[in-house]
Amino acid sequence: DAKTTQPPSMDCAEGRAANLPCNHSTISGNEYVYWYRQIHSQGPQYIIHGLKNNETNEMASLIITEDRKSSTLILPHATLRDTAVYYCIVRVALGGNTPLVFGKGTRLSVIA
Amino acid sequence: GAVVSQHPSWVICKSGTSVKIECRSLDFQATTMFWYRQFPKQSLMLMATSNEGSKATYEQGVEKDKFLINHASLTLSTLTVTSAHPEDSSFYICSARSTSGRLNEQFFGPGTRLTVL
Repeated sequence: DAKTTQPPSMDCAEGRAANLPCNHSTISGNEYVYWYRQIHSQGPQYIIHGLKNNETNEMASLIITEDRKSSTLILPHATLRDTAVYYCIVRVALGGNTPLVFGKGTRLSVIA
Repeated sequence: GAVVSQHPSWVICKSGTSVKIECRSLDFQATTMFWYRQFPKQSLMLMATSNEGSKATYEQGVEKDKFLINHASLTLSTLTVTSAHPEDSSFYICSARSTSGRLNEQFFGPGTRLTVL
């Protein structure tokens, strides 16, 4: 699976949009971009994933650049409960038994 | 979404004892489950992959005789930490892969915090 690079930490004011970047310059054509988050002392939670088109769900939006070498996760109206470590993972979707491999992620702090 | 449970949520044990952690997929069948551990302020590290009815595959550096994994059914996998020592104190997280629905997505349990005295 391709390697990803994320900033170690970010701050965001409550109610504002949080934009979390991820670089994945070695992504292959059949690899998807996944985002998970981990709130302190809990298991990771799935947020969203995409291949090349932008995606939106009830939690967030995912913007993938046209060359697919980077992406941005957008939390449109961050709340204090969004404080967590956010992981960007690139992998083949139908990967059989291939597990998710976590990098260091971005620690997002939402500030009141 | 699919639910994965772990039991216990936390455990404290004496050095030298064994501890069993259960991981269950509550509303789906999981032919594959994964075990991770996480030390403070670090990311999740994959320990092993278990497939129902067969032996687990361990990551490099993980002792298979110390971390016994049993995946006896499509909804249950167990991790037994044998002869636990203080350095085994960690947050253990299991994950189950659903073979239906959203592209073989992995669902995670809430984690088990193990403290070895």
